[in-house]
Amino acid sequence: AQTVTQSQPEMSVQEAETVTLSCTYDTSESDYYLFWYKQPPSRQMILVIRQEAYKQQNATENRFSVNFQKAAKSFSLKISDSQLGDAAMYFCAYRRGNTGTASKLTFGTGTRLQVTL
Amino acid sequence: EADIYQTPRYLVIGTGKKITLECSQTMGHDKMYWYQQDPGMELHLIHYSYGVNSTEKGDLSSESTVSRIRTEHFPLTLESARPSHTSQYLCASSDRAKNIQYFGAGTRLSVL
Repeated sequence: AQTVTQSQPEMSVQEAETVTLSCTYDTSESDYYLFWYKQPPSRQMILVIRQEAYKQQNATENRFSVNFQKAAKSFSLKISDSQLGDAAMYFCAYRRGNTGTASKLTFGTGTRLQVTL
Repeated sequence: EADIYQTPRYLVIGTGKKITLECSQTMGHDKMYWYQQDPGMELHLIHYSYGVNSTEKGDLSSESTVSRIRTEHFPLTLESARPSHTSQYLCASSDRAKNIQYFGAGTRLSVL
């Protein structure tokens, strides 16, 4: 079974600084996808960034980028120029590649990010 | 912003009551999901659906049931609510092309 581990329950960053959230996963599959989701307090969970395992290039979305190390099964999220609106719970998630079945996600336990002035 | 809606947002109810949590999406997605999330914890899949008249149990055992009579609607029902059902319930749907899941805002359920 696949597992996703987020070893940092809480992180703090100052506004405009850079922070990196860690995620490791365990799988025997070669075809899979990794995601970072953001869940602000009492608000909708939204997708931050997505990485296909077959792509060597790290995904980027504006101030968000990942460091995908396939051999090490590591998938960290870097947030640059942190803003107050980045404060949220961040979940790392794993999904097997397209198998014709429903796309079930396996989530980590989350990292709560605080952004300070 | 994804067009997936959950009602009610908050529900406080007594033990033994029957409740239905509503989830609707206007994106035409075939696949829909229900997750259970305790405060500050990870999400656990409790039900999913490939399409109309298709439902499957997820990884976490749940006493709730679901139905999928229409593509856009995926309600979750608890026949007899108990305090152990107190949690947040998140609904999601995914598109066929990229298989990205979009989430609703959730229903926070408290059973007294």
